[in-house]
Amino acid sequence: NAGVTQTPKFQVLKTGQSMTLQCAQDMNHNSMYWYRQDPGMGLRLIYYSASEGTTDKGEVPNGYNVSRLNKREFSLRLESAAPSQTSVYFCASKPTSGAGNEQFFGPGTRLTVL
Amino acid sequence: AQSVTQPDIHITVSEGASLELRCNYSYGATPYLFWYVQSPGQGLQLLLKYFSGDTLVQGIKGFEAEFKRSQSSFNLRKPSVHWSDAAEYFCAVGLMEYGNKLVFGAGTILRVKS
Repeated sequence: NAGVTQTPKFQVLKTGQSMTLQCAQDMNHNSMYWYRQDPGMGLRLIYYSASEGTTDKGEVPNGYNVSRLNKREFSLRLESAAPSQTSVYFCASKPTSGAGNEQFFGPGTRLTVL
Repeated sequence: AQSVTQPDIHITVSEGASLELRCNYSYGATPYLFWYVQSPGQGLQLLLKYFSGDTLVQGIKGFEAEFKRSQSSFNLRKPSVHWSDAAEYFCAVGLMEYGNKLVFGAGTILRVKS
């Protein structure tokens, strides 16, 4: 039982390049989330998927797209990377609806855009 | 708008000393409250959570937190800090919006002196 896994762990891009961050969970959770973490700002929600087949914007969706490929996998795509997207990206999952459920986090992807 | 405030960006305590990390939230109803810990280069791990009932909750690694509705606070405490507790600590509120997202405080970095 690996929990939430993310690939890659580190990535360096040049401005304008594209890439996809991968996330998978093996806990049979319904909801999945993408956050970005910037110094002094905590984590901010980019996109979420409340259940398989649905995705919705969070607080800071501009410049990103997502795909809920199946119940296990939720990917985040940067179509044209910008230096402002330099950040640490975390994927999380949660078993059911309801604000009380704990979210389980992956180890993060550290992205640098030059 | 809902917000979470962690007023201390950095805290340094001596090993064996007691610890209190402060967290205040702004939210209309009784929120779902969480404390997460992030060790360097790692993802977030849940320390404890409060939904209802006893306002003093126990967590892992010897941590506890007390919910005080009158002060809109959820402070984290530990009676005796160990060097391995050095990490960044995040307070979070679970909301019903955005697919039950978490709203995070900016974090408090704990340094432990030997």
